[in-house]
Amino acid sequence: AAGVIQSPRHLIKEKRETATLKCYPIPRHDTVYWYQQGPGQDPQFLISFYEKMQSDKGSIPDRFSAQQFSDYHSELNMSSLELGDSALYFCASKRGSPSYNEQFFGPGTRLTVL
Amino acid sequence: AQTVTQSQPEMSVQEAETVTLSCTYDTSENNYYLFWYKQPPSRQMILVIRQEAYKQQNATENRFSVNFQKAAKSFSLKISDSQLGDTAMYFCAFMKRVEWSSYKLIFGSGTRLLVRP
Repeated sequence: AAGVIQSPRHLIKEKRETATLKCYPIPRHDTVYWYQQGPGQDPQFLISFYEKMQSDKGSIPDRFSAQQFSDYHSELNMSSLELGDSALYFCASKRGSPSYNEQFFGPGTRLTVL
Repeated sequence: AQTVTQSQPEMSVQEAETVTLSCTYDTSENNYYLFWYKQPPSRQMILVIRQEAYKQQNATENRFSVNFQKAAKSFSLKISDSQLGDTAMYFCAFMKRVEWSSYKLIFGSGTRLLVRP
């Protein structure tokens, strides 16, 4: 079965650089979530999209932005990177109907900021 | 606001034995879901089991079962016949049930489980 695809899987950036993380949801999934998991921490919700519209926002820095495109894939853009942005970034997808409650997680993108 | 608390940072169990991981949560919502996710060293997030708050019957998935106490806001995970592959970080998570929209998962701080041979 198709799973959530995230690219790249690993990314190394310097401070103050920009990074773009991509997420391709499971076919027919119209909802995408982004989570950030720092070292030794639980995943923290950043932002979500439902039918290409932002549906919820968490502790996402103003330096970050995201969008969902017409094919439902999503991109997380991170600018002016800081050392503290080093983390594992998960994308998850689900169908928007409340009848479908499971979020399917991608393998994550490991971002290292030097 | 909802919160999820896992009071056991680490636990250890002998292979083939049973272990219970604790989770409590706080919410004013009546309709919601609760989940246990497993995160092995690969860091992949894997759904172990889910519980719908309106269902009184405790969920069971093979060796995994939950004890859901809605009034007490408690949601513990029991792993029977523990296997070495169960070694992982386990996260308890809460999700509010909403209509035709999405809602985020709120995670606890996790319990690191070590299964000893």
